[in-house]
Amino acid sequence: RKEVEQDPGPFNVPEGATVAFNCTYSNSASQSFFWYRQDCRKEPKLLMSVYSSGNEDGRFTAQLNRASQYISLLIRDSKLSDSATYLCVVNGTGGYNKLIFGAGTRLAVHP
Amino acid sequence: GAGVSQSPRYKVTKRGQDVALRCDPISGHVSLYWYRQALGQGPEFLTYFNYEAQQDKSGLPNDRFSAERPEGSISTLTIQRTEQRDSAMYRCASSPRGQGAYEQYFGPGTRLTVT
Repeated sequence: RKEVEQDPGPFNVPEGATVAFNCTYSNSASQSFFWYRQDCRKEPKLLMSVYSSGNEDGRFTAQLNRASQYISLLIRDSKLSDSATYLCVVNGTGGYNKLIFGAGTRLAVHP
Repeated sequence: GAGVSQSPRYKVTKRGQDVALRCDPISGHVSLYWYRQALGQGPEFLTYFNYEAQQDKSGLPNDRFSAERPEGSISTLTIQRTEQRDSAMYRCASSPRGQGAYEQYFGPGTRLTVT
């Protein structure tokens, strides 16, 4: 079983739609959780950290369920510029610095 | 300011040759990380440094891979006796602190092709 699992997609949605991505992780000791965004042929960039109580940043909402070892990302009012791959990330065994990336979920927003 | 830079951006080498990939982190960043990314996959952790000390090398696939950061700034990832399976994008990232979870800033990567 992979340490971080994501649905690869692609999710094809129209502009303005709401879309949600899910991710599960296997290490119950993980303490740090993130969503990174990666555009085609570019480097990954931090989208947002995920906190236990859930957090929101504009159109983006992240949730964490420690009991189920499950992380989600909700994007409201999708824009064409949201088209990218979204990587779910947790810290691995050995400390906060070792990050384990999921394979990513591809989102394509169309007009 | 300047971001993380990596060189070369592209490297084609013949099987059996050694290659050295360079990473120049954001100035002042304490931690430096090396990842390998295959097409359609997320980055896979290889190793990381705090200053010049290699803290974790558990992700290095075998003893042909090594990394150093002798002065706590620039780092080199070396692959000896390259094999075709080493072909991938090698990414470097840096973060401002040594402890705790901080944002990692990635460089553009070095695309390695072993023929």
